[in-house]
Amino acid sequence: DAGITQSPRHKVTETGTPVTLRCHQTENHRYMYWYRQDPGHGLRLIHYSYGVKDTDKGEVSDGYSVSRSKTEDFLLTLESATSSQTSVYFCAIEEANTGELFFGEGSRLTVL
Amino acid sequence: KQEVTQIPAALSVPEGENLVLNCSFTDSAIYNLQWFRQDPGKGLTSLLLIQSSQREQTSGRLNASLDKSSGRSTLYIAASQPGDSATYLCAVNTGNQFYFGTGTSLTVIP
Repeated sequence: DAGITQSPRHKVTETGTPVTLRCHQTENHRYMYWYRQDPGHGLRLIHYSYGVKDTDKGEVSDGYSVSRSKTEDFLLTLESATSSQTSVYFCAIEEANTGELFFGEGSRLTVL
Repeated sequence: KQEVTQIPAALSVPEGENLVLNCSFTDSAIYNLQWFRQDPGKGLTSLLLIQSSQREQTSGRLNASLDKSSGRSTLYIAASQPGDSATYLCAVNTGNQFYFGTGTSLTVIP
């Protein structure tokens, strides 16, 4: 257990509304990631962070922004949710010494 | 760009059978390779991590091998049980990015 908590675990929202997903870790890992998982596409990287206030885009970053003001929290924001952003979102941390990846339980988002 | 493939997409076996899941990747310049298990509606659970300098790793009934030169990894599950039913994914870490296969959905029939 890498001490990763995602919230909310489930959310239903309407098109055009802002949504923020939170990833919280308890073990001071430097690298954190946000992925989305969709049938037929597997896991795709949205954004990642390599430290406080250091973030970068992944392959599917359009429509998403992130913030990391504290080591333990990595926030994913959908400024104006669209139906194409209906997905399961996973946060992950990378253990620096081994490069091993650990995932949270996921946040299921439905945009109506 | 690294591409990771897992074939077959689905596999069904009777309980007690030994089985092998496959993972292939296109670029041998990897940092490590990791196998995960995912149960429906759940996150990914790390099963085994193989560093690029290693040939295999074992955990209980699971054994993962790595052959970088051929771009292949296998996950061997001994004496399969119904509780092993899940989707198994492999991920390649290039040092800069992680690349995931789309998984093999395993069903172990009692």
